[in-house]
Amino acid sequence: DQQVKQNSPSLSVQEGRISILNCDYTNSMFDYFLWYKKYPAEGPTFLISISSIKDKNEDGRFTVFLNKSAKHLSLHIVPSQPGDSAVYFCAASHFGNEKLTFGTGTRLTIIP
Amino acid sequence: SQTIHQWPATLVQPVGSPLSLECTVEGTSNPNLYWYRQAAGRGLQLLFYSVGIGQISSEVPQNLSASRPQDRQFILSSKKLLLSDSGFYLCAWSMGTATYEQYFGPGTRLTVT
Repeated sequence: DQQVKQNSPSLSVQEGRISILNCDYTNSMFDYFLWYKKYPAEGPTFLISISSIKDKNEDGRFTVFLNKSAKHLSLHIVPSQPGDSAVYFCAASHFGNEKLTFGTGTRLTIIP
Repeated sequence: SQTIHQWPATLVQPVGSPLSLECTVEGTSNPNLYWYRQAAGRGLQLLFYSVGIGQISSEVPQNLSASRPQDRQFILSSKKLLLSDSGFYLCAWSMGTATYEQYFGPGTRLTVT
């Protein structure tokens, strides 16, 4: 049972444009959501997170939006840069849970 | 600041051989520790996690095991490797209930031949 889903395995975006990565979840207990970025042969690095008490969180070029009624979150990268080319994972958890549930990832390619 | 180490970086082992991967964390005390595997083209699969010395929770039945002999040391082992054990193994740590964020090590690429 895939509780966190990233339905787009890949995405290509022109440099300078906006990249939008999507994530859906099914477990209504999830109340905290995270995005990680992963380069090949490296460990994922934490990018940005959002609590369910918010619907938006920004950090520089990265903004995460949460739509609790739709059980959907998205990561916006503006403007997209070549160094943003990587695999992006969304993850979710809930209060009292020591674990993260990860999606299967979306490979983002920024076209110069 | 906190640092997480994993070794070796790459490993090629024959089927049926034993395995030992080590992970250590510096700069923090009593972290939660995690072992994940990323198979080729797949997401991150949680294998084991530990909230304290000697406390191991297994997420997926398999021929792997984990141990936490010291507060900041986490070991992934196998007595006999299978071809299906090939993958990219990642160790991660978190501050437990204080925060949800997990921080990952550089990973070990294991190829079972």
